[in-house]
Amino acid sequence: QVTLRESGPALVKPTQTLTLTCTFSGFSLSTTGVCVSWIRQPPGRALEWLAFIDWDNDKYYNTSLKTRLTISKDSSENQVVLTMTNMDPVDTATYYCARIQFHGSGYGWFDSWGQGTLVTVSS
Amino acid sequence: SYGLTQPPSVSVSPGQTASITCSGDNLGDAYVCWYQQRPGQSPVVVIYQDSIRPSGIPERFSGSSSGNTATLTISGTQAMDEADYYCHAWDTTTPIFGGGTKLTVL
Repeated sequence: QVTLRESGPALVKPTQTLTLTCTFSGFSLSTTGVCVSWIRQPPGRALEWLAFIDWDNDKYYNTSLKTRLTISKDSSENQVVLTMTNMDPVDTATYYCARIQFHGSGYGWFDSWGQGTLVTVSS
Repeated sequence: SYGLTQPPSVSVSPGQTASITCSGDNLGDAYVCWYQQRPGQSPVVVIYQDSIRPSGIPERFSGSSSGNTATLTISGTQAMDEADYYCHAWDTTTPIFGGGTKLTVL
């Protein structure tokens, strides 16, 4: 059974750096075709993709946020960490991690999601 | 990257058919998948690769794509289908989400 769980602070101050951890089980991030991604959703608004890391440790970022984001993995601990610098109140959102499984056709989708963690940015 | 456009809201009566569209300039060259997000819950994929339904998703959910528009169809809509629906496609290595459609069953 695939599970993902996000953890991190519920409240951060403006200009601080946010660090979120995704702890997963039921799959290996070393398996070809497997990736873990971060997606966020401001209250009442749409999903916004942030970043993903693949089985080969290649990293992909939302171009509009790239300068603020860093994604990394600890395969031995089954964890993926996302850091976002210079937090602002507009970054208030529920942050999800999700698995992407690419299949032989080269196509993939977000097939399993964590429950999400709400991060509020406020002084 | 290109954008995906969805209608903000769709209303349907119970038992009727709901259709939600997703349009984008390059959709003709890309597969689309659809996620259902019930209030307070995480998204769940209901259709992938334009028209394939994952195991456990009811048969009343179906998907299609033609030209630059993909469509999610829910036949015999039930009250439990009331949710936000998001389309998703890839622009090379960039995942793109539509703005979401709130489906109201009334």
